[in-house]
Amino acid sequence: AQSVTQLDSHVSVSEGTPVLLRCNYSSSYSPSLFWYVQHPNKGLQLLLKYTSAATLVKGINGFEAEFKKSETSFHLTKPSAHMSDAAEYFCVVRGQAAGNKLTFGGGTRVLVKP
Amino acid sequence: DVKVTQSSRYLVKRTGEKVFLECVQDMDHENMFWYRQDPGLGLRLIYFSYDVKMKEKGDIPEGYSVSREKKERFSLILESASTNQTSMYLCASSGPGQGANYGYTFGSGTRLTVV
Repeated sequence: AQSVTQLDSHVSVSEGTPVLLRCNYSSSYSPSLFWYVQHPNKGLQLLLKYTSAATLVKGINGFEAEFKKSETSFHLTKPSAHMSDAAEYFCVVRGQAAGNKLTFGGGTRVLVKP
Repeated sequence: DVKVTQSSRYLVKRTGEKVFLECVQDMDHENMFWYRQDPGLGLRLIYFSYDVKMKEKGDIPEGYSVSREKKERFSLILESASTNQTSMYLCASSGPGQGANYGYTFGSGTRLTVV
């Protein structure tokens, strides 16, 4: 069984300040983890993925995430928020069984203030 | 680029109707998925398929069924639509293995309203 918990449903930051989106996971297997972003009225876009290589993963648009096995966490960060980062973000864990189904967290909506 | 195409962007159906949501992918992917997205709940897996004619229940299969007669097409069926099935439905596909290019591609979604 696998599950994902995003600890904040909403995050509000000022433009130019750091962004931190928190994610904890539970998985029976060595997990693969992902962050997806969904802008208003747009489809889901893959930001980055962790698949048991380097624990610090760099993604698109300046985002990065660090896999910490001891804490079962995969938090997403960005040093300096931009107005275009306003969106909903989903932390996702992928199973190892047939079908490799994805399990999504509840999402974190990011608001960026000018 | 992989494309996942959902046949309708918006649908309005009446309670009790049988509803078909169609999804087609063009990259010969084995795995296909149907999710529904609701505010505060993220995406929840309804059904998935890892091969033609194969299907597995996800986390919320009640009230739904699926069909995969061809590798590229995965259909979600609401046998008798109800108002609590009003939602955004997202289809996704993925290829095999654990390689770096193991991507998941989502369709743009179908917003279904049941009245």
